[in-house]
Amino acid sequence: DAKTTQPPSMDCAEGRAANLPCNHSTISGNEYVYWYRQIHSQGPQYIIHGLKNNETNEMASLIITEDRKSSTLILPHATLRDTAVYYCIVRVALSGGSQGNLIFGKGTKLSVKP
Amino acid sequence: GAVVSQHPSRVICKSGTSVKIECRSLDFQATTMFWYRQFPKQSLMLMATSNEGSKATYEQGVEKDKFLINHASLTLSTLTVTSAHPEDSSFYICSARIGVNTEAFFGQGTRLTVV
Repeated sequence: DAKTTQPPSMDCAEGRAANLPCNHSTISGNEYVYWYRQIHSQGPQYIIHGLKNNETNEMASLIITEDRKSSTLILPHATLRDTAVYYCIVRVALSGGSQGNLIFGKGTKLSVKP
Repeated sequence: GAVVSQHPSRVICKSGTSVKIECRSLDFQATTMFWYRQFPKQSLMLMATSNEGSKATYEQGVEKDKFLINHASLTLSTLTVTSAHPEDSSFYICSARIGVNTEAFFGQGTRLTVV
């Protein structure tokens, strides 16, 4: 699976949009981009994933560049509870019998400040 | 999203004893479950992947005889840390996936302390 690069930390003011970048320049055509977050001492929480098109759900939006070499996770109105480590992971689309492990990098520690 | 439950959330055991951690998918059947370990201030490290009814696949450097994984049903996987030592103290997290191209959902983790 392709490797991702994320900034180690970011700050965001409460109520503002948090834009978390991820570089995955070696991504292959059949690899999805997944975003998870981990609040301190909890298991990771799924946020969103996409292949080519931009995606939106109740938690966030995922913007994938046209060449798919990078993406941005957008939390439209950050709250203090969004303070967490955010992981960007690429994973190959699977066929039967494939393992499809999620390999975690170091992620971005987002601190939402009042 | 789907719910994955881990039990216990915290456990303290004596060195040399064994500890079993359970991972259950509560509202779906999980074809594949994953076990991770996380040391303080580090990222999650994949330990093993298990498919229901077959032997687990362990990542390089993970001792299969020390970390016994059983995936006897589509809703339950267990990780047993055998002959635990203080260096096994860590945060153990499981995840489960419904199908091959769906997202994985994570348990709340188990904090193991070996004294």
